[in-house]
Amino acid sequence: DAMVIQNPRYQVTQFGKPVTLSCSQTLNHNVMYWYQQKSSQAPKLLFHYYDKDFNNEADTPDNFQSRRPNTSFCFLDIRSPGLGDAAMYLCATSVKNEQFFGPGTRLTVL
Amino acid sequence: QKEVEQDPGPLSVPEGAIVSLNCTYSNSAFQYFMWYRQYSRKGPELLMYTYSSGNKEDGRFTAQVDKSSKYISLFIRDSQPSDSATYLCASDTGRRALTFGSGTRLQVQP
Repeated sequence: DAMVIQNPRYQVTQFGKPVTLSCSQTLNHNVMYWYQQKSSQAPKLLFHYYDKDFNNEADTPDNFQSRRPNTSFCFLDIRSPGLGDAAMYLCATSVKNEQFFGPGTRLTVL
Repeated sequence: QKEVEQDPGPLSVPEGAIVSLNCTYSNSAFQYFMWYRQYSRKGPELLMYTYSSGNKEDGRFTAQVDKSSKYISLFIRDSQPSDSATYLCASDTGRRALTFGSGTRLQVQP
């Protein structure tokens, strides 16, 4: 029944070790998003895809990259995680203006 | 100044109370307004979605938008312990990129 699926739910990585988070959707929505949410803070948009068209937010660090190989899947790559990148990473999809979120991946950086 | 401001709470009410949650925003270009509910360590869940000014009701929930005063409200009638969560308001200009408030933590006491 899950519509936006994120794997893994919990990810532990070491300082500087690349990590990839994945998101898949069964909704066939054309827009997919990645947000970063730190404790007690608002989700912050990192980037989004409108179909294959990639849109990067101006203040998203270069350390964060994304790939969308097809409609259903989207990946977030963190090239060299720092301690400040520990957060919940949320994937969302939309077809009009309503966004639907996955359960999130909680990233811990040691 | 943040584009969307929200009182972080926590807000504690007894079961059955009417809850009023509020946000203000500064960007006149915002056209779409949403309320999300987020339980601890979960992704945000869309509760209400409104376009421009006006009211929208769904069961025990009513969303209000007043664009003249840049004010967004969510009312919860007959609040239940299961309503205990963080409530996030969000706005969009139409470019499909949400700007969130930081969330209000609500606790409904049985």
